[in-house]
This record gives sequence, C-alpha cells and structure tokens, in this order.
Amino acid sequence: QVQLVESGGGVVQPGRSLRLSCAASGFIFSSYAMHWVRQAPGQGLERVAGISYDGSNKYYADSVKGRFTLSRDNSKNTLSLQMDSLRAEDTAVYYCVRDKITFGSGSSLHSWGRGTLVTVSS
Amino acid sequence: DIQMTQSPSTLSASVGDRVTITCRASQSINSWLAWYQQKPGKAPKLLIYKASSLEGGVPSRFSGSGSGTEFTLTISSLQPDDFATYYCQQYNTYLLTFGGGTKVEIK
Repeated sequence: QVQLVESGGGVVQPGRSLRLSCAASGFIFSSYAMHWVRQAPGQGLERVAGISYDGSNKYYADSVKGRFTLSRDNSKNTLSLQMDSLRAEDTAVYYCVRDKITFGSGSSLHSWGRGTLVTVSS
Repeated sequence: DIQMTQSPSTLSASVGDRVTITCRASQSINSWLAWYQQKPGKAPKLLIYKASSLEGGVPSRFSGSGSGTEFTLTISSLQPDDFATYYCQQYNTYLLTFGGGTKVEIK
C-alpha cells in the first residue's frame, strides 16, 4: 500500500536552514504530483509547496516563496523540501502528501505521511 | 489566491444527529472541492473529492454537494467515530487552499 515517510524535522534557530525528505513506496512515484502541507500547533492546514509528477511545475505559498525549494528524484522515489531563512512562524508539523490523480499538478490529496515536526526557536 | 471559508468553526452535536458543514469559495471553483477528516495527532483523511464523490472505504453516511462557490458536507447520522475536525480544500487552481476547519464536538 501507499507509504510516505517523512524525515529531517527537528529544532532549528531562526534564520537557519533545514531539509525535509519524504520516502515514497507502494505506488508509481513518477506518476503523481506531490506536496508538502503543514499544520502549525492548534491551527489549520496550509499547502506550502507542490510539484508536478515530472517536476516541471512547482507551486509555493506566498508565506514561503523565495525561502523554500521543492524538488523530487523520480529515480529514488524521494521528495525533498529545502527550507532556508526559517522563521518562528514556520513551526509546524510538515506532511508529505500525494495527489489522488495521475499526471497532474494538484488535485485532492489522497495519501498523507505521518508528518515531521519542525520547531524554529532560539 | 482563492479563499475558502468554513462555517461553523465549531459544532456541538449528539450521536445520531444530522450534521451539515458549509464551505464557501471566494470565486467559482466549479466542483473542484475536497473534504477531509482529521483526528487529534493524526494526518487528515480524504472523505470526498470533486464535491460529491465518496472516497473508497468512507461510510455512506458522509455526503457532499454543491458547485461554484457554495458547498456542504453532510453526515446523515453522526457516529462516535465522527467527532473530529473537518476541512474543505479547493483545487480549481494549482495554488491549493484549505478552509479554516470545523470541529465537531460531543454535545
């Protein structure tokens, strides 16, 4: 079955960088758009970044544009999020998420990882 | 970006009640709307896609309706397992956005 396993979260000081990774299995990774969705403590959901199935299109929320970079390696079934210039407001659980449909750039969100917690604090 | 507004933000109900949650979009999103259920400490779970299509394995007491800018999620007879927070999400554009959530509490 579909498995998405996030890693790379932790505690980091404001202004520093962190790189999240997502290892995907159980489906044809190269056929699906992928996303990172975050949830700040006690708050709602925010899609911070998405990438099309072939990596040709990337989308970022205004809150992270210019600071976060999304990439994928279809040969290794891996999704990565490079997070630079981190701020306290980036503190959240970050979920790796798969699209429901194939060969798209963003649709309903079918499969979710368990999430990895990023805490930005001095 | 398309703004999604859910109401109410909190809902108190009893087992067996019919529950309706509303989601409004700031502009037309056709039927490109999904609903999710999230329980504390867990990832969200897809319930409904394309406004009214039930995801596989989701109980038939859940239903969705609407198009354009106004949508509803209905639980026909609330069960103990349904107490959770529900989110809508639009995918009319690739800048996916969520509603603020509706917490369904025990009355």
